[in-house]
Amino acid sequence: GENVEQHPSTLSVQEGDSAVIKCTYSDSASNYFPWYKQELGKGPQLIIDIRSNVGEKKDQRIAVTLNKTAKHFSLHITETQPEDSAVYFCAASSGSGYALNFGKGTSLLVTP
Amino acid sequence: NAGVTQTPKFQVLKTGQSMTLQCAQDMNHEYMSWYRQDPGMGLRLIHYSVGAGITDQGEVPNGYNVSRSTTEDFPLRLLSAAPSQTSVYFCASYLPGADTQYFGPGTRLTVL
Repeated sequence: GENVEQHPSTLSVQEGDSAVIKCTYSDSASNYFPWYKQELGKGPQLIIDIRSNVGEKKDQRIAVTLNKTAKHFSLHITETQPEDSAVYFCAASSGSGYALNFGKGTSLLVTP
Repeated sequence: NAGVTQTPKFQVLKTGQSMTLQCAQDMNHEYMSWYRQDPGMGLRLIHYSVGAGITDQGEVPNGYNVSRSTTEDFPLRLLSAAPSQTSVYFCASYLPGADTQYFGPGTRLTVL
């Protein structure tokens, strides 16, 4: 089955700096790659996603890049703010998106 | 819309007891899934359903049963709880084509 690895497991940045989280996947059939943000005591919430026919996608301060050849994708957060502090999960799916394989998560701390 | 709701929020069981975790969604989504979240393990898929009357196993199905008699509800049953099932359980629903899984707030289960 699909194996998704995520790094780093923890990340601490100063407010205003950029943060980058990287994931690799094993199944070349995977074609959908979402990123979720989970705040303490809440369920994960989708923040951005990308499909395998696209190399990069941006949404304001958040961007995701995908390298299909190397089987890795990354989340980039620019101009970080304290409210960006949360656990971020990457995921991959080779189906229609309903059965996701998640990475183990990255705990991001943005200090003022 | 209430989105995805889960009950109870917290539950403590003794080994061998049975219980049902409830999940409901009011978005008329065909697809629903159950995940468990353990420290350092990310989210792992237990069971999923692509419509009423149709269910399938995910990555970690042992010890859990599901059924889907209506579009709205997708309960998860633990027939004989074990300490290894201590976890936070998340239900999610998904609309094909919309590419977003909506997660509930979770149920924190402790098995003594």
